[in-house]
Amino acid sequence: KAGVTQTPRYLIKTRGQQVTLSCSPISGHRSVSWYQQTPGQGLQFLFEYFSETQRNKGNFPGRFSGRQFSNSRSEMNVSTLELGDSALYLCASSLARLAGAQNTQYFGPGTRLTVL
Amino acid sequence: AQTVTQSQPEMSVQEAETVTLSCTYDTSESDYYLFWYKQPPSRQMILVIRQEAYKQQNATENRFSVNFQKAAKSFSLKISDSQLGDAAMYFCAYTPPIKFGNEKLTFGTGTRLTIIP
Repeated sequence: KAGVTQTPRYLIKTRGQQVTLSCSPISGHRSVSWYQQTPGQGLQFLFEYFSETQRNKGNFPGRFSGRQFSNSRSEMNVSTLELGDSALYLCASSLARLAGAQNTQYFGPGTRLTVL
Repeated sequence: AQTVTQSQPEMSVQEAETVTLSCTYDTSESDYYLFWYKQPPSRQMILVIRQEAYKQQNATENRFSVNFQKAAKSFSLKISDSQLGDAAMYFCAYTPPIKFGNEKLTFGTGTRLTIIP
């Protein structure tokens, strides 16, 4: 089975621009979560989508948004970029069953965003 | 709110030796899941091992095993026969019980493991 894929792998943007990152989950996985990783703040949860609905959201400003499509692929968007948005953005997918022990998140390789 | 603490920012071990990475967490839940992920220089986050809180038996995966102490809220990772490929940042992570709206992972700050040839 193919793993989680993320595109693009690297991005360079300037302040004020917007950016869209894409994530394709493992086949059959219905939940997609996004995390931001920075040296100062570590790994922080952004949001999680299941069946095209945002189920959970972290403590980030409204400039950070996302969506999920019917094929479970997800995109996240950051508008009006700031220097502090420079980070590695990680996407993870899981089966997200109601019961059982399959609540394990598998990560993609990440998108490295640099804001100049 | 749940918190995960890794008190060892860096660790090093001789190749073929055993090393233990520490993790403590805080939660009011009785059922939850704990994970160890490794992140090598490639930055890909790789699952190492998973532990269900309702299981008393410690999880093992080849050279990797955990010491899960539920009452103490401690979850350490033991790596036996350390190999050069084990060099990475190791993150301990917690997630609450399986129910809608709780897929969030809470991570510790990580432990950088160096393998000395």
